[in-house]
Amino acid sequence: DTEVTQTPKHLVMGMTNKKSLKCEQHMGHRAMYWYKQKAKKPPELMFVYSYEKLSINESVPSRFSPECPNSSLLNLHLHALQPEDSALYLCASSQGRMRTVNQPQHFGDGTRLSIL
Amino acid sequence: GQQVMQIPQYQHVQEGEDFTTYCNSSTTLSNIQWYKQRPGGHPVFLIQLVKSGEVKKQKRLTFQFGEAKKNSSLHITATQTTDVGTYFCAINSGGSNYKLTFGKGTLLTVNP
Repeated sequence: DTEVTQTPKHLVMGMTNKKSLKCEQHMGHRAMYWYKQKAKKPPELMFVYSYEKLSINESVPSRFSPECPNSSLLNLHLHALQPEDSALYLCASSQGRMRTVNQPQHFGDGTRLSIL
Repeated sequence: GQQVMQIPQYQHVQEGEDFTTYCNSSTTLSNIQWYKQRPGGHPVFLIQLVKSGEVKKQKRLTFQFGEAKKNSSLHITATQTTDVGTYFCAINSGGSNYKLTFGKGTLLTVNP
């Protein structure tokens, strides 16, 4: 069982649709992450929120729009996606009180996204 | 940002055989993390190594961090079918404590 909950588990959308992915954690973590993972590849970091502020954007196209409404929730708004955006989207969280080293990241089960 | 090379890409073993995956960096690392991802699953944190020459054990898994903090290994003794999955190392990169860069991973399959 994962302590990071992602919805939906699967999503099929057309290139003109608008949809949102949701992520929730109740571990009191203050850093939250979005990753994209293609089949047989490692997760690739997209965004990092630290204390509800966007701290890292890995040059992600603007058709992906993150939002952190509060310390427990993380959304990823999708608009006008391309077929190559089909992938597993993983949310993760960590304590966020880092000074010198990373802390473990706890991943959700992910949303499998297919763009038609 | 920093990169890490992970080998081998694939490893198939008979149940009971040992398995090792290696991660190497051209630069000194502050720390290294290891994750396991089962087929169809999500990455699960296994361990973090911080100190030069550090060795940590978790049951049949042994993790090592090189003396120069440029390489690391994960060794599984007497593999079981439950060990199947992709093992990733992950390092700090880009000067951020939040940014993890994953190695390409080693996919372990175990023949019962």
